[in-house]
Amino acid sequence: QQQVRQSPQSLTVWEGETAILNCSYENSAFDYFPWYQQFPGEGPALLISILSVSDKKEDGRFTIFFNKREKKLSLHIADSQPGDSATYFCAARANYGNEKITFGAGTKLTIKP
Amino acid sequence: DAGVTQTPRHEVAEKGQTIILKCEPVSGHNDLFWYRQTKIQGLELLSYFRSKSLMEDGGAFKDRFKAEMLNSSFSTLKIQPTEPKDSAVYLCASSLSSNSYEQYFGPGTRLTVL
Repeated sequence: QQQVRQSPQSLTVWEGETAILNCSYENSAFDYFPWYQQFPGEGPALLISILSVSDKKEDGRFTIFFNKREKKLSLHIADSQPGDSATYFCAARANYGNEKITFGAGTKLTIKP
Repeated sequence: DAGVTQTPRHEVAEKGQTIILKCEPVSGHNDLFWYRQTKIQGLELLSYFRSKSLMEDGGAFKDRFKAEMLNSSFSTLKIQPTEPKDSAVYLCASSLSSNSYEQYFGPGTRLTVL
């Protein structure tokens, strides 16, 4: 059973557009949601994260929108650049002291110049 | 500060061989994780150590996969015997403590089993 779902599997947008990556989850105990960015040949790296007490988190061109009631969140990448082309993983962690992070399957983002 | 180091970066093994992958976590980090990454299954947790103690041993991966943390700055993942279906990227990650949410990943070891 996949506890963290991502859509779409792949996404192509033009340079300068806003890319929107979606994520949903099952476990109501999840309270921390990091997004990781992975380039080919590298390990994932933390991009931005949000706690469930917030509904929005911004960091430069990257914004997470979080809807606790619907168990959904999305990552918006504004003014997307070719260098943003990567695979993005939505992840979640529960609040009961378990340090395991559950990862989604990823969205492969391609930015066309 | 050095990040997570993994060696080798690439490994090619014959079916039935024993291979050992190595990981050095970020200095001072107490938690260490081993993941397997494939296009089909995504990121799967294999093992998790907290302060060198094994907290999770990977369930379905138990029979041929064994992770060890010999000291706080070095961990190994042994696969014995290897099978072609083990071909994947093996990622090691570390985090500061149980109160720290962020995991830092190494570059991974790409394993190909022929």
